[in-house]
Amino acid sequence: DAGVTQSPTHLIKTRGQQVTLRCSPKSGHDTVSWYQQALGQGPQFIFQYYEEEERQRGNFPDRFSGHQFPNYSSELNVNALLLGDSALYLCASSLDAGYEQYFGPGTRLTVT
Amino acid sequence: AQSVSQHNHHVILSEAASLELGCNYSYGGTVNLFWYVQYPGQHLQLLLKYFSGDPLVKGIKGFEAEFIKSKFSFNLRKPSVQWSDTAEYFCAVNPYNTDKLIFGTGTRLQVFP
Repeated sequence: DAGVTQSPTHLIKTRGQQVTLRCSPKSGHDTVSWYQQALGQGPQFIFQYYEEEERQRGNFPDRFSGHQFPNYSSELNVNALLLGDSALYLCASSLDAGYEQYFGPGTRLTVT
Repeated sequence: AQSVSQHNHHVILSEAASLELGCNYSYGGTVNLFWYVQYPGQHLQLLLKYFSGDPLVKGIKGFEAEFIKSKFSFNLRKPSVQWSDTAEYFCAVNPYNTDKLIFGTGTRLQVFP
């Protein structure tokens, strides 16, 4: 049973560029959440997707957007990248809200 | 604002020592509580969880945590640590009827043989 997978593993972008990160949830899960983990910090909630809609959003600007596909996989898009967007981006899946979330290995984004 | 505090940022222990990691949260309503662990080079894994019922919950690898509602705390314990417990430990809170996990800043545990 495959767990949560994320791609790519690492990514280097330049300020002002746009990036798309991808996530496939654990088999049987229909809810995907995205988190940003800066160095030395705990993960910060970006948003959650359920039934292809954003259900709740954390304190992140509109430059951060997402999408969920009918097969429950998800994308995180970040526009107009800033140096401060450099972080590990984690995807977590769960069986609806309120259940334990299972995390993927993350995508390390470096913005130069 | 809702927040989670982990007061121990870096803990160093010898094998067989007892462990207690503190976690306090600020939220007045009902919460679900979690401890996650991140071993070196691996992704976050669920260690244990509390939703309701017995406030003393047992997790994997001999870990346990106690929910004390009056103190807004959910401290993690293990009677005897092993070298393989070296990892970063995160406490997380899920306010009831929300979709998000609020994480603490983590505690880095180093266990020496």
